[in-house]
Amino acid sequence: GQNIDQPTEMTATEGAIVQINCTYQTSGFNGLFWYQQHAGEAPTFLSYNVLDGLEEKGRFSSFLSRSKGYSYLLLKELQMKDSASYLCAVRDFPNQAGTALIFGKGTTLSVSS
Amino acid sequence: DTGVSQDPRHKITKRGQNVTFRCDPISEHNRLYWYRQTLGQGPEFLTYFQNEAQLEKSRLLSDRFSAERPKGSFSTLEIQRTEQGDSAMYLCASSFETGLNGETQYFGPGTRLLVL
Repeated sequence: GQNIDQPTEMTATEGAIVQINCTYQTSGFNGLFWYQQHAGEAPTFLSYNVLDGLEEKGRFSSFLSRSKGYSYLLLKELQMKDSASYLCAVRDFPNQAGTALIFGKGTTLSVSS
Repeated sequence: DTGVSQDPRHKITKRGQNVTFRCDPISEHNRLYWYRQTLGQGPEFLTYFQNEAQLEKSRLLSDRFSAERPKGSFSTLEIQRTEQGDSAMYLCASSFETGLNGETQYFGPGTRLLVL
């Protein structure tokens, strides 16, 4: 079957570093995406990994280990505006035609001052 | 540069009524997706188009749901005989087929449906 697991909630303080983990079990794999979603808004693209290793993009980094079915999103120098839901999504190609994504339930991050 | 747009943003309807939502993708994007998201859940895939062809439908898409993309540009999603369980956020996303791994979907603001 297909399963993507992430913690439901996390809390952190401004300026800190937080790591959001994601484990996945899918029949196929052709990339893992992280999206940020503020309450009531659309998901916005943060990062993409298809090969093992770390991808860095400013304050955000994402890591992938395909052999372990594991990824994490690392957020540095947290700001209040980073309070949002973070969605891990896997492209289960070729078991699902096209490039549709399978999403986890999301991790709600609350950043306090 | 305009992103994905959806209309309406909110819809309240009574059970049994039909509703139709519209999605306008990013202009050069040839792939278009519909997802549904309920509170506390991630988006769930409903269906996808490549140009005007509907290439896949999820098992979640019951017979009451139909989607079209007649000219390969905008798309509509219609729900007939709405039920309270249809209440959700309906998200549209688009992407450009690159033939490479990095194809990224960009989401619209969604249409929030409430069925009374």
